[in-house]
Amino acid sequence: KAGVTQTPRYLIKTRGQQVTLSCSPISGHRSVSWYQQTPGQGLQFLFEYFSETQRNKGNFPGRFSGRQFSNSRSEMNVSTLELGDSALYLCASSLYGGSSYEQYFGPGTRLTVT
Amino acid sequence: GQQVMQIPQYQHVQEGEDFTTYCNSSTTLSNIQWYKQRPGGHPVFLIQLVKSGEVKKQKRLTFQFGEAKKNSSLHITATQTTDVGTYFCAGPENNSGGSNYKLTFGKGTLLTVNP
Repeated sequence: KAGVTQTPRYLIKTRGQQVTLSCSPISGHRSVSWYQQTPGQGLQFLFEYFSETQRNKGNFPGRFSGRQFSNSRSEMNVSTLELGDSALYLCASSLYGGSSYEQYFGPGTRLTVT
Repeated sequence: GQQVMQIPQYQHVQEGEDFTTYCNSSTTLSNIQWYKQRPGGHPVFLIQLVKSGEVKKQKRLTFQFGEAKKNSSLHITATQTTDVGTYFCAGPENNSGGSNYKLTFGKGTLLTVNP
């Protein structure tokens, strides 16, 4: 079974720009969660989607948004980028999501905002 | 909201020494998961504990879930250089609706092993 894939792997953007990151979950997994990882804050939950519906959202500003398509692939978008948005963005897929099922993480997208 | 605290933040050991990381929650957890992230890699699921007082072993790794289901530990016996990485615990966050769709991760313990 192919693992979770994320594209692009690396991205350099300028403040004020917007960015879209993509995540393809493991085949058959219907839940996709997104996390932001930084050295200071660790892994912080952004949002979780299941069957195209956002079921939970973390404490991030509205500049961070996401969506999920009917094939379970997910995208997250960050508008009006700030320097502090530089981080590793990880997506994780799970069979049904939630805390009872193990999450399979993708390799991440390293976003640098200059 | 629920917080998961993990200590220590860093641990450096000599190869062959034991290692333990502890995870504490401010609320009772229905379950707890452990992940390992190698340097430059992504988190990889290790195990899930569900029952009060549960102990599970994976070769040299021993995982425990506290009786009150508010704390957990991961113990590695006789560390090897392959154990290097950051170990995270993660617990569900109960929202007002009672669903557990969000995992809250501890900040992790970075283990380095001197050969």
